[in-house]
Amino acid sequence: NAGVMQNPRHLVRRRGQEARLRCSPMKGHSHVYWYRQLPEEGLKFMVYLQKENIIDESGMPKERFSAEFPKEGPSILRIQQVVRGDSAAYFCASSPVIEGQVPYEQYFGPGTRLTVT
Amino acid sequence: AQTVTQSQPEMSVQEAETVTLSCTYDTSESDYYLFWYKQPPSRQMILVIRQEAYKQQNATENRFSVNFQKAAKSFSLKISDSQLGDAAMYFCAYRHMEYGNKLVFGAGTILRVKS
Repeated sequence: NAGVMQNPRHLVRRRGQEARLRCSPMKGHSHVYWYRQLPEEGLKFMVYLQKENIIDESGMPKERFSAEFPKEGPSILRIQQVVRGDSAAYFCASSPVIEGQVPYEQYFGPGTRLTVT
Repeated sequence: AQTVTQSQPEMSVQEAETVTLSCTYDTSESDYYLFWYKQPPSRQMILVIRQEAYKQQNATENRFSVNFQKAAKSFSLKISDSQLGDAAMYFCAYRHMEYGNKLVFGAGTILRVKS
């Protein structure tokens, strides 16, 4: 069973460009989470999605950032008009749905390191 | 809001010795999960150990064990017989049990293992 896949692993963008980060959850997982790790810091929650629904976006910056998890295909984290402060590692995690249980186990992908020049 | 504090930015341990990493958290909830994650230089996040708050027994996974003190809101990680491969950043994390699936992470502790 392949783990959580993220691509690209490294992404370089100039200020003002758009960054698109992709996350394919583990097979059978329908919950996806995005976290951001700034240099020398811990991970900070950004958004929690289920298929076609945003469940919790309390950690998302109000502007320039959006996320989706369509019925088919990977989850996408999109950052418009990137700035130097967006340089960070972005991690995706997924968890399974177990009938009658709240999912608690999150499996992390390897992360995408975004560098804004 | 819940917060997680790791007061040791960096720790060192001699190979084969034991080391304890500290973590405290703040919450008004009674049901939650606590986790320790390991992040080696590859940056992959690896779950080390998990503790359910309603369980009084401390979790153990091979050389890794926790000391969970619910009243004190303390959740330390003990690594026995330290190995070179244990060298990594360690993050303590909190998650509410019933709602809000997000993990709240501490700032991390760098563990160095000396041979």
